[in-house]
Amino acid sequence: EAGVAQSPRYKIIEKRQSVAFWCNPISGHATLYWYQQILGQGPKLLIQFQNNGVVDDSQLPKDRFSAERLKGVDSTLKIQPAKLEDSAVYLCASSLVMYGADTQYFGPGTRLTVL
Amino acid sequence: KQEVTQIPAALSVPEGENLVLNCSFTDSAIYNLQWFRQDPGKGLTSLLLIQSSQREQTSGRLNASLDKSSGRSTLYIAASQPGDSATYLCAGFQGGSEKLVFGKGTKLTVNP
Repeated sequence: EAGVAQSPRYKIIEKRQSVAFWCNPISGHATLYWYQQILGQGPKLLIQFQNNGVVDDSQLPKDRFSAERLKGVDSTLKIQPAKLEDSAVYLCASSLVMYGADTQYFGPGTRLTVL
Repeated sequence: KQEVTQIPAALSVPEGENLVLNCSFTDSAIYNLQWFRQDPGKGLTSLLLIQSSQREQTSGRLNASLDKSSGRSTLYIAASQPGDSATYLCAGFQGGSEKLVFGKGTKLTVNP
């Protein structure tokens, strides 16, 4: 079974530029999550989708971050414009069901450096 | 606001030693708990999931337990090996929320 795929793996941009990350979850997983992990911290949930609907985006900085999940499969996370404090690893995860009843499976992450 | 504390932040042990990693929650109203492993430059790998009706889970040399009354979980690793070297994170779902709240992790080094 293929795991969660993410691209790119690394990205370096200057502040005020824009960037986009892509995620392809495990086939059949209805729930998709984007996390931000700052160095030395645990991952923090940014947004959660159930199929193509948003379940929780309360911790997403909506003035600069946006995310979508087209057709309930792939998802993109965009930052525009980027700030220095956005430097982090962005992790995508998926699970079969919601409500914590199932394991979350994580992709390898995208390491973003904002200069 | 749920906060998760993991103790110790770092641990270095000789190969073969049994060890315990600790995790505690400020709000004990958690119902599912997961332990993850994170290798440098990689994503998280789920190790064990303890669901609300369970008190512990075992997988090979790993055993995780959850005490809901105190809001504490422990991960026991038996006969540690150098390949166990990684950062271990615990995360819990709080009742009424769909967020998985993570601790900062314990960085484990197992020396040959």
